[in-house]
Amino acid sequence: DIQMTQSPSTLSASVGDRVIISCRASQSLSSWLAWYQQKPGKAPKLLIYQASTLDSGVPSRFSGSGSGTEFTLTISSLQPDDFATYYCQQYSSYPRTFGQGTTVEIK
Amino acid sequence: QVQLVQSGADVKKPGASVQVSCRASGYTFTDYYIHWVREVPGQGLEWMGIINPSGGSTHYAQKLQGRVTMTRDTSTSTVYMELSGLTSEDTAVYYCASGIVVGAPGYWGQGTLVTVSS
Repeated sequence: DIQMTQSPSTLSASVGDRVIISCRASQSLSSWLAWYQQKPGKAPKLLIYQASTLDSGVPSRFSGSGSGTEFTLTISSLQPDDFATYYCQQYSSYPRTFGQGTTVEIK
Repeated sequence: QVQLVQSGADVKKPGASVQVSCRASGYTFTDYYIHWVREVPGQGLEWMGIINPSGGSTHYAQKLQGRVTMTRDTSTSTVYMELSGLTSEDTAVYYCASGIVVGAPGYWGQGTLVTVSS
């Protein structure tokens, strides 16, 4: 199985901050990587697929980059609605696997 | 609009089986694969498997092989996930998910809490 490792596990930030979350894969994914946002008690929401393609309706302050084994999710200016947990997920091979999650907290 | 509506919460005893349903609407049922993902309390997301509603082919996480079965009923646009041999470690919220991008589903059900307790 491909192991996905996110860093940091928790991140404290303020509204307006630039936030960067990293995701590393144990083997190359090409660009077959997605990012999700999840809030407590809610289903995950797809933000980005194919490493850098924004899903429909996702604000442009979110962006994704990377390929191979190193990927990042960037929030250019953190908004109150962005405090949540973020997961990366590979779909290069079966089984699909998720990172352990990064919780963005209010500083 | 695309909707995935799941069955309600369930409580099971250890060793029992549970079946969770996921009814799709707002699109052609056979067009999108459906994933099952679970969220264990305090832990992250775990991918369980995927079913192709068109032909019924499946792919399961090896960890769950032998315990999980995914089926579909095209007449009602419903997918079913059955998990047998339940233990307390199977207590989780179970989600079905689908979408245009096969590996990265953009539509999710509301989640179904399954509690395993004696």
